[in-house]
Amino acid sequence: NAGVTQTPKFQVLKTGQSMTLQCAQDMNHNSMYWYRQDPGMGLRLIYYSASEGTTDKGEVPNGYNVSRLNKREFSLRLESAAPSQTSVYFCASINGGPSTDTQYFGPGTRLTVL
Amino acid sequence: QKEVEQNSGPLSVPEGAIASLNCTYSDRVSQSFFWYRQYSGKSPELIMSIYSNGDKEDGRFTAQLNKASQYVSLLIRDSQPSDSATYLCAVSVTGNQFYFGTGTSLTVIP
Repeated sequence: NAGVTQTPKFQVLKTGQSMTLQCAQDMNHNSMYWYRQDPGMGLRLIYYSASEGTTDKGEVPNGYNVSRLNKREFSLRLESAAPSQTSVYFCASINGGPSTDTQYFGPGTRLTVL
Repeated sequence: QKEVEQNSGPLSVPEGAIASLNCTYSDRVSQSFFWYRQYSGKSPELIMSIYSNGDKEDGRFTAQLNKASQYVSLLIRDSQPSDSATYLCAVSVTGNQFYFGTGTSLTVIP
């Protein structure tokens, strides 16, 4: 099993450009998450999807959109990138359920917006 | 706003000592509690989860939960240089959303 994979690993954008971060998991997990991690800020939830076909906002959703394409894939789109979106982005997934909510994280995408 | 607070450190301990990491949380209905380890430039990995009051031991790691005090801690016994990392505390209320602290940086000095 590859676990949780993310593409790309690194990206540099100019202000106003758009891009989509891709995430896929092969563990048949129901729930998937997008976080951003900034120095001194910890991990902050952007969006999550509790199951295929559903998405919900997290703490910091502004400037982002998501698509749960199928059970395996959950993408994050930046429509008009801003320097404040420079961050490391992590995708995660869990199977869910009481006492089984272990999150597995992807390797991260390091995004710089100039 | 659900808050999870950790001392940012850095915390330095000599090799072989006990490292103690602390975390407090604001939401009294929080149900699930986690400790993640994150090496520099890497993604977080789960090392402990705890769901009920008391202690939970796994090898050199012990998690302690006190829901009345809204406090969860992680003890690392016989600390090794390979334990040097940032430790993230996370809390879940519903099992769908997770709230992370800012992390405590631990350095184990050989």
